[in-house]
Amino acid sequence: DAKTTQPNSMESNEEEPVHLPCNHSTISGTDYIHWYRQLPSQGPEYVIHGLTSNVNNRMASLAIAEDRKSSTLILHRATLRDAAVYYCIRKTGGFKTIFGAGTRLFVKA
Amino acid sequence: NAGVTQTPKFQVLKTGQSMTLQCAQDMNHNSMYWYRQDPGMGLRLIYYSASEGTTDKGEVPNGYNVSRLNKREFSLRLESAAPSQTSVYFCASSEVGGLLYDEQFFGPGTRLTVL
Repeated sequence: DAKTTQPNSMESNEEEPVHLPCNHSTISGTDYIHWYRQLPSQGPEYVIHGLTSNVNNRMASLAIAEDRKSSTLILHRATLRDAAVYYCIRKTGGFKTIFGAGTRLFVKA
Repeated sequence: NAGVTQTPKFQVLKTGQSMTLQCAQDMNHNSMYWYRQDPGMGLRLIYYSASEGTTDKGEVPNGYNVSRLNKREFSLRLESAAPSQTSVYFCASSEVGGLLYDEQFFGPGTRLTVL
């Protein structure tokens, strides 16, 4: 089972950091963690992925726990445009990527 | 680059009608996918094409057929639409699907209503 567990929703204030948690307690050694987000009325877009160590890109940072059973997507300064559904995905290989319900992020001005 | 494009953007069908959703990508990607998204839910994979000339079933293939017309285009056909197929349909592509670090690029979606 390649499921992950995320909170249904989170709220943040604009210009503050946001930490979006994800639990993937049954992860195996070669599984990657991917994050996508879906803005309202749009298709999902890739955010970041990682295997073991923390990763940074222009959009976000990904912090992966040492035991790899959980990870956190970090948006350093939330903006109103970051309001979206964020999907944490455990990539186990093959072509079937499983999207759960994700976390809906609300950003307050 | 337009990325992944889908047509039409919206469609209303009556039960039993047929239609084809079109998808094209201009990124020279090998793999393409069709997903559906029902209200408040995540995406579910309908069919995918690992490379030109191949197609395979995903999680929810019943009631659908696909054609990988060439490397750029991947169409989804509903032969006899049912109200349960009311959903938003997303096409996606990736450079080399199946890799653990593979990134998918999504189109804007087609909103389909079946009455």
